[in-house]
Amino acid sequence: AQTVTQSQPEMSVQEAETVTLSCTYDTSESDYYLFWYKQPPSRQMILVIRQEAYKQQNATENRFSVNFQKAAKSFSLKISDSQLGDAAMYFCAYRSYGNKLVFGAGTILRVKS
Amino acid sequence: NAGVTQTPKFQVLKTGQSMTLQCAQDMNHEYMSWYRQDPGMGLRLIHYSVGAGITDQGEVPNGYNVSRSTTEDFPLRLLSAAPSQTSVYFCASSYSQTGGYSSPLHFGNGTRLTVT
Repeated sequence: AQTVTQSQPEMSVQEAETVTLSCTYDTSESDYYLFWYKQPPSRQMILVIRQEAYKQQNATENRFSVNFQKAAKSFSLKISDSQLGDAAMYFCAYRSYGNKLVFGAGTILRVKS
Repeated sequence: NAGVTQTPKFQVLKTGQSMTLQCAQDMNHEYMSWYRQDPGMGLRLIHYSVGAGITDQGEVPNGYNVSRSTTEDFPLRLLSAAPSQTSVYFCASSYSQTGGYSSPLHFGNGTRLTVT
């Protein structure tokens, strides 16, 4: 079964600085998608970014980018120019053909002003 | 543009009571699912459906039932509530799992359930 591991239960970053959240996963599939979701205190689940395993180029969405290392099965999220509104729980998730979306345990990100 | 609508937002039950969490989506998504979120454990899949009339178990199905009579609705039933079912429940939908695993899930706003 596929598993997703987020080894950092909690991270802190100073406003305007950069932070990287780690995620590793275990799979025998060759084609799959990886996602980062953000959950602010409102409890809403918001898609931040997604990456297809067959694409070598790392996905970016404004201040959010990923470092996808397929061989190492690593999918980290980099947040640049951190803002107070980035404070949230972040979940890494994995999905392949015919399989369900599997989530990691989450990382709480605190942003200091 | 309602998206995924979950009701109620909060619920308190006594042990042994039953209830149904409602979920409806207006995006014509074939795939619908229920997750529970517990501290330190992320979101775990309870049940899912790839279309009307088709349901299957996820990682933690015990104590829960689902049915899918229409594309739009996917209710989750707690048969006899237990304190271990105290959690936040999310309904989520997307285009077909088998044909669209690139499709991100769209989530409802969650239901906080407390069982005393």
